[in-house]
Amino acid sequence: AQSVTQLGSHVSVSEGALVLLRCNYSSSVPPYLFWYVQYPNQGLQLLLKYTSAATLVKGINGFEAEFKKSETSFHLTKPSAHMSDAAEYFCAVSVSSASKIIFGSGTRLSIRP
Amino acid sequence: DAGVIQSPRHEVTEMGQEVTLRCKPISGHDYLFWYRQTMMRGLELLIYFNNNVPIDDSGMPEDRFSAKMPNASFSTLKIQPSEPRDSAVYFCASREGRGVAEAFFGQGTRLTVV
Repeated sequence: AQSVTQLGSHVSVSEGALVLLRCNYSSSVPPYLFWYVQYPNQGLQLLLKYTSAATLVKGINGFEAEFKKSETSFHLTKPSAHMSDAAEYFCAVSVSSASKIIFGSGTRLSIRP
Repeated sequence: DAGVIQSPRHEVTEMGQEVTLRCKPISGHDYLFWYRQTMMRGLELLIYFNNNVPIDDSGMPEDRFSAKMPNASFSTLKIQPSEPRDSAVYFCASREGRGVAEAFFGQGTRLTVV
């Protein structure tokens, strides 16, 4: 069975600082990995996904994530935080296009002025 | 496409009443998922369908919950009878069945059972 663990339920950074949100996965087969963002009172929307074509994946709004098989990690980063990045971020895993998608517990990102 | 459409957006009901949540997936998507989001338990998968057939309902909390997908463009999640602990945001999502397909989420239904 697959699973994801997000370290840190709440991360706070200053505007302009580096954002690092951590995600570790567990899967018996090569996984599909996703990062989603949720703004208040809205559904989840895709930030980026790992397709195995490249280990460094670029997404929307300046976010990127790096797949590291040796560390079973898929951490999300952004070089410079913006106030509009404040939201909840979810890492998710799936083992195929025909299987369910399992979400981590989420990390709330706060941005300090 | 208008995306995944859920209705109603908000529902307030009294304990013991029947509640029906509705979802229209994106046209052409083979998979439909129902998730529940709460502060305590996060985002839980309740059930998912492939081509209108339930594949895995192991996340359905108990017999009070049931889900149907009578055709490719409509699904319902029913709670009967409802209880205060069912209060949560319920999301529907759909996905293509090929490639590294992500799930597209609806805006959710916020259910409050008083």
